[in-house]
Amino acid sequence: EDKVVQSPLSLVVHEGDTVTLNCSYEVTNFRSLLWYKQEKKAPTFLFMLTSSGIEKKSGRLSSILDKKELFSILNITATQTGDSAVYLCAVEAKSAGGTSYGKLTFGQGTILTVHP
Amino acid sequence: NAGVTQTPKFRILKIGQSMTLQCTQDMNHNYMYWYRQDPGMGLKLIYYSVGAGITDKGEVPNGYNVSRSTTEDFPLRLELAAPSQTSVYFCASSYSLASGRSTDTQYFGPGTRLTVL
Repeated sequence: EDKVVQSPLSLVVHEGDTVTLNCSYEVTNFRSLLWYKQEKKAPTFLFMLTSSGIEKKSGRLSSILDKKELFSILNITATQTGDSAVYLCAVEAKSAGGTSYGKLTFGQGTILTVHP
Repeated sequence: NAGVTQTPKFRILKIGQSMTLQCTQDMNHNYMYWYRQDPGMGLKLIYYSVGAGITDKGEVPNGYNVSRSTTEDFPLRLELAAPSQTSVYFCASSYSLASGRSTDTQYFGPGTRLTVL
């Protein structure tokens, strides 16, 4: 059974701090790892990672994947109150035949609270 | 473009009642999904569909049924509601260029908060 574990479960910081969120996974036939941001409603897509060591960056957010050690990190620099949300990590696996159909296994999420 | 829409936004059911959660997307996406999210947890896949007339079970399908008669609509049916089905339900869609490969973005609807008492 595929498994995704995120840490920490919750984090409280002040504006301007830098945070690192962790995601480890156990999955057979890995295809991709995705990060989503959820602000009290629908998750919104942040990054998809498929290759080790290649950093993806969007503004103050960045993420990297280590396929050897089976984990990913999401970094947020110079945090703002608008970064307060649940951050979800998910993995997509391929079936034995190579298909995936976008079926995702999610971690339990990290609740990030940024105080002014 | 409305994206993915879900109705209703909230619903309270009594044990044993049935209902259908509606999901519609206007992006001509071929893949659609239903997830549930329990408090403090991540999302779990209930059912998915790769095109009209084709559906398959996800991780937690028991107690639910789906159909996909059109590309746009993917309703989720609860036949005999149980307290364990109290959750927030999200519908999502994505587009695949080739069979068996999804794109990198699933677009999520706003969710339906269901309480079974």
